[in-house]
Amino acid sequence: DAEITQSPRHKITETGRQVTLACHQTWNHNNMFWYRQDLGHGLRLIHYSYGVQDTNKGEVSDGYSVSRSNTEDLPLTLESAASSQTSVYFCASSESSSGGYNEQFFGPGTRLTVL
Amino acid sequence: QKEVEQNSGPLSVPEGAIASLNCTYSDRGSQSFFWYRQYSGKSPELIMSIYSNGDKEDGRFTAQLNKASQYVSLLIRDSQPSDSATYLCAVMGAAGNKLTFGGGTRVLVKP
Repeated sequence: DAEITQSPRHKITETGRQVTLACHQTWNHNNMFWYRQDLGHGLRLIHYSYGVQDTNKGEVSDGYSVSRSNTEDLPLTLESAASSQTSVYFCASSESSSGGYNEQFFGPGTRLTVL
Repeated sequence: QKEVEQNSGPLSVPEGAIASLNCTYSDRGSQSFFWYRQYSGKSPELIMSIYSNGDKEDGRFTAQLNKASQYVSLLIRDSQPSDSATYLCAVMGAAGNKLTFGGGTRVLVKP
């Protein structure tokens, strides 16, 4: 069955370190998204991609980067981790279609703690 | 003003009753609307999508959309304790593909 996976599921790191969170989907979806979820802020979009070599900034992109070298993967990199980036990170994917009929499906999430 | 607004709850309903959740949005050009269920410590799970005005039913769930009034609602009939979760409203704007989420409504179904 097609699925979307994230790794690691839990990560503890120190301030200033570079961290990469992996996202892999086997839906063959063109669209992939990274969100963070924090109490009081809900789900917020970090970066997204509509296809290979395409990346776009979301509403909370500062301190994060992504690259899309194939359809299946969209890794999220924290260049220099900060305590404010302690959060739960979700990856999602959807098909590309006109008219907005693009249901997004979420991975299981990564809980990141920055000490 | 938030783009997608939900009452944070908790919405407490007795088992077997109807739970009614509301969501308002600010972008008049929004085209697609989704309800996700999220259990504590888990990822959001898509339960309903609605694209045109009116009602859409799927099992015990009914989504209602009124674009003129810019609101979308979710009814959960015959509520069960297993329905206790946070329900997220998500709206896809006119630009397409990106979702904006509300803060979620926490629902507690009491036996």
